[in-house]
Amino acid sequence: SQQGEEDPQALSIQEGENATMNCSYKTSINNLQWYRQNSGRGLVHLILIRSNEREKHSGRLRVTLDTSKKSSSLLITASRAADTASYFCATDARQAGTALIFGKGTTLSVSS
Amino acid sequence: SQTIHQWPATLVQPVGSPLSLECTVEGTSNPNLYWYRQAAGRGLQLLFYSVGIGQISSEVPQNLSASRPQDRQFILSSKKLLLSDSGFYLCAWSAVHPEQFFGPGTRLTVL
Repeated sequence: SQQGEEDPQALSIQEGENATMNCSYKTSINNLQWYRQNSGRGLVHLILIRSNEREKHSGRLRVTLDTSKKSSSLLITASRAADTASYFCATDARQAGTALIFGKGTTLSVSS
Repeated sequence: SQTIHQWPATLVQPVGSPLSLECTVEGTSNPNLYWYRQAAGRGLQLLFYSVGIGQISSEVPQNLSASRPQDRQFILSSKKLLLSDSGFYLCAWSAVHPEQFFGPGTRLTVL
């Protein structure tokens, strides 16, 4: 079953602009992750934020987590054409041994 | 360093034919292994996961099956493919939960 839902489904911006993607989920989580997928390729792990964290940074990436609203956001600052990809949030439920549950993703297009 | 391999990269099969997709991981021991399917323009659907040799958990009942004959080998199979089995199949591994590392995927087209 799908837990995470990304918003928007598609986003088109110019190089240098910031891109913000949102993710909402339904049940309690231990952590939330963001992954990136270039067209026709496997997914690459970007960043993980734990349920007791509110914000995390990694290079040009900033992730926030609001467990009261069951939502997260991924901000990519100063976007580049190479950031063009699909971005997925993934959550794990609190049960041991449960694999990740992915959302449907946001397709980001950055034009130069 | 750890690497994950999947083959074949692309596959075109007729309806009713069998399927075998293979995934192997190098550079780690006793990984958790996962099979996902991604339909065109969609998110990932977890099909199977395994925490050890011979231990398979199925998330979605269908005409697919998975096996783990060796610690770092995960195989996805079908006896008779359906049109709806078309998609992009991704294998992933994790060591200490939760980050997962994905293979390059297999594009399956069933005609």
